[in-house]
Amino acid sequence: EPEVTQTPSHQVTQMGQEVILRCVPISNHLYFYWYRQILGQKVEFLVSFYNNEISEKSEIFDDQFSVERPDGSNFTLKIRSTKLEDSAMYFCASTPRAANYGYTFGSGTRLTVV
Amino acid sequence: DAKTTQPNSMESNEEEPVHLPCNHSTISGTDYIHWYRQLPSQGPEYVIHGLTSNVNNRMASLAIAEDRKSSTLILHRATLRDAAVYYCILNNNDMRFGAGTRLTVKP
Repeated sequence: EPEVTQTPSHQVTQMGQEVILRCVPISNHLYFYWYRQILGQKVEFLVSFYNNEISEKSEIFDDQFSVERPDGSNFTLKIRSTKLEDSAMYFCASTPRAANYGYTFGSGTRLTVV
Repeated sequence: DAKTTQPNSMESNEEEPVHLPCNHSTISGTDYIHWYRQLPSQGPEYVIHGLTSNVNNRMASLAIAEDRKSSTLILHRATLRDAAVYYCILNNNDMRFGAGTRLTVKP
Protein backbone atom coordinates (compact mmCIF):
# COMPACT_ATOMS: atom_id res chain seq x y z
CA GLU A 1 0.00 0.00 0.00
CA PRO A 2 1.39 3.46 -0.88
CA GLU A 3 2.84 5.42 2.01
CA VAL A 4 3.70 8.97 2.93
CA THR A 5 7.35 9.00 3.95
CA GLN A 6 8.79 11.49 6.41
CA THR A 7 12.42 12.13 7.24
CA PRO A 8 14.10 12.33 9.64
CA SER A 9 12.12 10.38 12.20
CA HIS A 10 13.70 12.39 15.00
CA GLN A 11 15.55 15.70 14.87
CA VAL A 12 17.18 17.55 17.71
CA THR A 13 18.08 21.17 17.13
CA GLN A 14 19.29 24.14 19.11
CA MET A 15 16.93 27.01 19.75
CA GLY A 16 17.25 29.63 17.04
CA GLN A 17 18.42 27.18 14.38
CA GLU A 18 16.59 26.50 11.14
CA VAL A 19 15.15 23.08 10.49
CA ILE A 20 13.68 21.49 7.41
CA LEU A 21 11.31 18.58 7.75
CA ARG A 22 10.88 16.47 4.67
CA CYS A 23 7.96 14.53 3.30
CA VAL A 24 7.40 12.44 0.21
CA PRO A 25 3.65 12.33 -0.44
CA ILE A 26 1.97 9.57 -2.42
CA SER A 27 2.82 10.12 -6.05
CA ASN A 28 -0.61 10.75 -7.57
CA HIS A 29 -1.89 12.89 -4.72
CA LEU A 30 -2.53 16.56 -5.31
CA TYR A 31 -3.20 18.01 -1.85
CA PHE A 32 -0.58 18.15 0.87
CA TYR A 33 -0.74 19.06 4.53
CA TRP A 34 1.33 19.61 7.62
CA TYR A 35 0.01 19.00 11.12
CA ARG A 36 1.74 19.04 14.45
CA GLN A 37 1.06 17.42 17.80
CA ILE A 38 2.65 18.68 20.98
CA LEU A 39 3.12 15.85 23.46
CA GLY A 40 -0.15 14.99 25.17
CA GLN A 41 -2.18 17.43 23.09
CA LYS A 42 -4.41 17.21 20.05
CA VAL A 43 -3.32 17.13 16.42
CA GLU A 44 -3.21 20.71 15.11
CA PHE A 45 -3.55 21.80 11.50
CA LEU A 46 -0.71 23.96 10.19
CA VAL A 47 -1.07 24.37 6.45
CA SER A 48 -2.55 22.93 3.28
CA PHE A 49 -0.89 23.12 -0.12
CA TYR A 50 -2.30 22.62 -3.59
CA ASN A 51 -1.14 23.53 -7.07
CA ASN A 52 2.16 24.85 -5.74
CA GLU A 53 0.67 27.31 -3.34
CA ILE A 54 -0.73 27.49 0.15
CA SER A 55 -4.48 26.89 0.20
CA GLU A 56 -5.04 27.53 3.86
CA LYS A 57 -2.98 28.08 6.98
CA SER A 58 -3.73 28.21 10.67
CA GLU A 59 -2.82 30.91 13.15
CA ILE A 60 0.09 28.73 14.24
CA PHE A 61 1.67 28.97 10.78
CA ASP A 62 3.31 32.36 11.21
CA ASP A 63 6.25 33.94 9.39
CA GLN A 64 8.66 31.49 10.98
CA PHE A 65 7.13 28.67 8.95
CA SER A 66 7.26 28.05 5.24
CA VAL A 67 6.44 25.17 2.93
CA GLU A 68 7.80 24.22 -0.42
CA ARG A 69 7.49 21.57 -3.07
CA PRO A 70 10.97 21.90 -4.56
CA ASP A 71 10.57 19.09 -7.06
CA GLY A 72 7.91 16.64 -8.17
CA SER A 73 8.17 14.44 -5.12
CA ASN A 74 9.23 16.27 -1.96
CA PHE A 75 7.15 18.52 0.26
CA THR A 76 9.06 20.36 2.97
CA LEU A 77 8.28 22.35 6.09
CA LYS A 78 10.87 24.87 7.17
CA ILE A 79 11.02 26.52 10.56
CA ARG A 80 13.37 29.48 10.34
CA SER A 81 14.33 30.10 13.93
CA THR A 82 13.14 27.34 16.21
CA LYS A 83 11.75 27.99 19.66
CA LEU A 84 11.40 25.59 22.55
CA GLU A 85 7.64 25.52 21.99
CA ASP A 86 8.15 24.18 18.46
CA SER A 87 9.05 20.83 20.00
CA ALA A 88 6.38 18.45 18.75
CA MET A 89 5.58 15.62 16.35
CA TYR A 90 5.10 16.94 12.86
CA PHE A 91 2.91 14.94 10.51
CA CYS A 92 2.69 15.27 6.76
CA ALA A 93 -0.42 14.08 4.93
CA SER A 94 -1.60 13.85 1.36
CA THR A 95 -4.80 13.09 -0.50
CA PRO A 96 -5.78 12.74 -4.18
CA ARG A 97 -8.42 15.41 -3.79
CA ALA A 98 -9.59 17.05 -0.61
CA ALA A 99 -12.85 16.36 1.15
CA ASN A 100 -14.03 13.25 -0.66
CA TYR A 101 -10.91 11.19 -0.08
CA GLY A 102 -9.17 9.94 3.01
CA TYR A 103 -5.90 11.54 4.00
CA THR A 104 -2.81 9.38 4.27
CA PHE A 105 -0.50 10.46 7.07
CA GLY A 106 3.18 9.83 7.47
CA SER A 107 4.71 8.42 10.64
CA GLY A 108 5.89 11.84 11.68
CA THR A 109 9.08 13.64 12.63
CA ARG A 110 9.72 14.21 16.29
CA LEU A 111 11.32 17.65 16.62
CA THR A 112 13.08 18.43 19.86
CA VAL A 113 14.32 21.97 20.36
CA VAL A 114 16.89 22.36 23.13
CA ASP B 1 -11.72 24.43 15.51
CA ALA B 2 -13.43 21.00 15.45
CA LYS B 3 -17.19 21.14 14.93
CA THR B 4 -17.88 17.71 16.38
CA THR B 5 -18.63 16.39 19.85
CA GLN B 6 -17.38 13.00 21.01
CA PRO B 7 -17.19 11.30 24.40
CA ASN B 8 -13.75 11.65 25.94
CA SER B 9 -13.37 7.93 26.49
CA MET B 10 -15.06 4.58 26.00
CA GLU B 11 -14.31 1.03 27.01
CA SER B 12 -15.00 -2.17 25.19
CA ASN B 13 -14.37 -5.85 25.65
CA GLU B 14 -12.31 -7.74 23.15
CA GLU B 15 -14.28 -9.38 20.35
CA GLU B 16 -17.39 -7.34 21.08
CA PRO B 17 -18.82 -4.63 18.80
CA VAL B 18 -18.05 -1.00 19.59
CA HIS B 19 -20.23 1.95 18.66
CA LEU B 20 -18.40 5.28 18.79
CA PRO B 21 -20.81 8.23 18.60
CA CYS B 22 -20.24 11.66 17.16
CA ASN B 23 -22.50 14.72 17.13
CA HIS B 24 -22.13 17.35 14.44
CA SER B 25 -25.28 19.41 14.65
CA THR B 26 -23.86 22.32 12.63
CA ILE B 27 -22.83 20.18 9.67
CA SER B 28 -23.23 21.83 6.28
CA GLY B 29 -24.37 20.16 3.09
CA THR B 30 -20.87 19.90 1.67
CA ASP B 31 -19.14 18.55 4.79
CA TYR B 32 -17.89 14.99 4.55
CA ILE B 33 -17.77 13.01 7.79
CA HIS B 34 -14.33 11.51 8.27
CA TRP B 35 -13.06 9.15 10.93
CA TYR B 36 -9.41 8.66 11.80
CA ARG B 37 -7.67 6.89 14.60
CA GLN B 38 -4.32 7.35 16.25
CA LEU B 39 -2.63 4.40 17.86
CA PRO B 40 -0.10 5.13 20.60
CA SER B 41 3.06 6.79 19.25
CA GLN B 42 1.81 6.73 15.65
CA GLY B 43 0.41 9.18 13.14
CA PRO B 44 -3.31 9.45 12.42
CA GLU B 45 -4.71 6.65 10.30
CA TYR B 46 -7.71 6.97 7.98
CA VAL B 47 -10.60 4.72 8.97
CA ILE B 48 -13.65 5.64 6.89
CA HIS B 49 -15.63 8.57 5.53
CA GLY B 50 -19.05 9.32 4.10
CA LEU B 51 -21.42 12.04 3.05
CA THR B 52 -25.01 10.85 3.42
CA SER B 53 -25.21 7.09 3.06
CA ASN B 54 -23.89 4.46 5.44
CA VAL B 55 -20.48 3.13 4.45
CA ASN B 56 -18.64 -0.11 5.04
CA ASN B 57 -15.02 -1.02 4.53
CA ARG B 58 -12.63 -3.64 5.83
CA MET B 59 -11.90 -1.67 8.97
CA ALA B 60 -15.30 -0.42 10.09
CA SER B 61 -18.80 0.75 9.27
CA LEU B 62 -20.09 4.29 9.37
CA ALA B 63 -23.74 4.91 10.16
CA ILE B 64 -24.92 8.43 9.34
CA ALA B 65 -28.16 9.79 10.73
CA GLU B 66 -30.78 10.81 8.22
CA ASP B 67 -30.47 14.49 9.21
CA ARG B 68 -26.65 14.11 9.19
CA LYS B 69 -26.37 15.72 12.59
CA SER B 70 -24.77 12.65 14.09
CA SER B 71 -22.87 9.57 13.05
CA THR B 72 -21.58 6.38 14.61
CA LEU B 73 -18.41 4.49 13.85
CA ILE B 74 -18.92 0.78 14.31
CA LEU B 75 -16.08 -1.64 14.92
CA HIS B 76 -17.70 -5.03 14.50
CA ARG B 77 -15.32 -7.01 16.68
CA ALA B 78 -12.89 -5.00 18.76
CA THR B 79 -9.37 -6.32 19.13
CA LEU B 80 -6.64 -5.14 21.46
CA ARG B 81 -5.03 -3.53 18.44
CA ASP B 82 -8.07 -1.24 18.07
CA ALA B 83 -7.18 0.62 21.27
CA ALA B 84 -6.59 4.15 20.04
CA VAL B 85 -7.95 7.68 19.97
CA TYR B 86 -10.74 7.92 17.40
CA TYR B 87 -11.43 11.24 15.75
CA CYS B 88 -14.64 12.26 14.02
CA ILE B 89 -13.95 15.21 11.72
CA LEU B 90 -16.03 17.26 9.33
CA ASN B 91 -14.05 17.83 6.19
CA ASN B 92 -14.88 20.47 3.63
CA ASN B 93 -11.38 20.91 2.25
CA ASP B 94 -10.34 21.87 5.77
CA MET B 95 -9.77 19.05 8.24
CA ARG B 96 -9.25 19.97 11.90
CA PHE B 97 -8.87 17.45 14.70
CA GLY B 98 -10.66 17.63 18.02
CA ALA B 99 -9.82 15.73 21.17
CA GLY B 100 -11.40 12.48 19.97
CA THR B 101 -12.54 9.45 21.94
CA ARG B 102 -9.95 7.31 23.66
CA LEU B 103 -11.04 3.69 23.22
CA THR B 104 -9.78 1.13 25.70
CA VAL B 105 -10.21 -2.54 24.79
CA LYS B 106 -10.19 -5.00 27.66
CA PRO B 107 -9.13 -8.61 27.11
